[in-house]
Amino acid sequence: KAGVTQTPRYLIKTRGQQVTLSCSPISGHRSVSWYQQTPGQGLQFLFEYFSETQRNKGNFPGRFSGRQFSNSRSEMNVSTLELGDSALYLCASSYMQGGVNTEAFFGQGTRLTVV
Amino acid sequence: GENVEQHPSTLSVQEGDSAVIKCTYSDSASNYFPWYKQELGKGPQLIIDIRSNVGEKKDQRIAVTLNKTAKHFSLHITETQPEDSAVYFCAASLVDDYKLSFGAGTTVTVRA
Repeated sequence: KAGVTQTPRYLIKTRGQQVTLSCSPISGHRSVSWYQQTPGQGLQFLFEYFSETQRNKGNFPGRFSGRQFSNSRSEMNVSTLELGDSALYLCASSYMQGGVNTEAFFGQGTRLTVV
Repeated sequence: GENVEQHPSTLSVQEGDSAVIKCTYSDSASNYFPWYKQELGKGPQLIIDIRSNVGEKKDQRIAVTLNKTAKHFSLHITETQPEDSAVYFCAASLVDDYKLSFGAGTTVTVRA
């Protein structure tokens, strides 16, 4: 079974631009979460989607947004990029069992550099 | 919100020795505690997890213990090997609320 796939692996963008990152979850997983990883702040939760609905959101500004498609694939968008948005963006997928999410499986991440 | 503290930040052990990483959490409602291993250039990989109805869980050389009263949980790695060298993260969440709050990470180095 294929793991969580994130594309692209690396991105370099200029301050003020916007960027879209993509995540394909493990087949059968309908929950997709996004995390930002930086040396200073560590791993921080961005948002989680299930069946195309955002169920939970972290403490990030409105410049960070996401969506999920009917095939469970998810995208996140960051508008008006700032230097501080440089980070590794990780996607994790999980499936529901007995009404609760099971363990989260992470992708390799997208390394975003803002210059 | 949930706050997870992790200690130590770095840990160097001789091959074959044991390694212990400790975490504390603030929200008594948290009931799911996974541990992740992250190698350079890769995403975090789940190595073991524990739910609040269990006090200890083992998987070969890895074990996790949970003390809900004290709100702390620990990762124990026995008979460490060079391939155990990585960054380890603890996390906490509610089982039905998939928002993981992570500790700051522990860089483990196993000396041959």
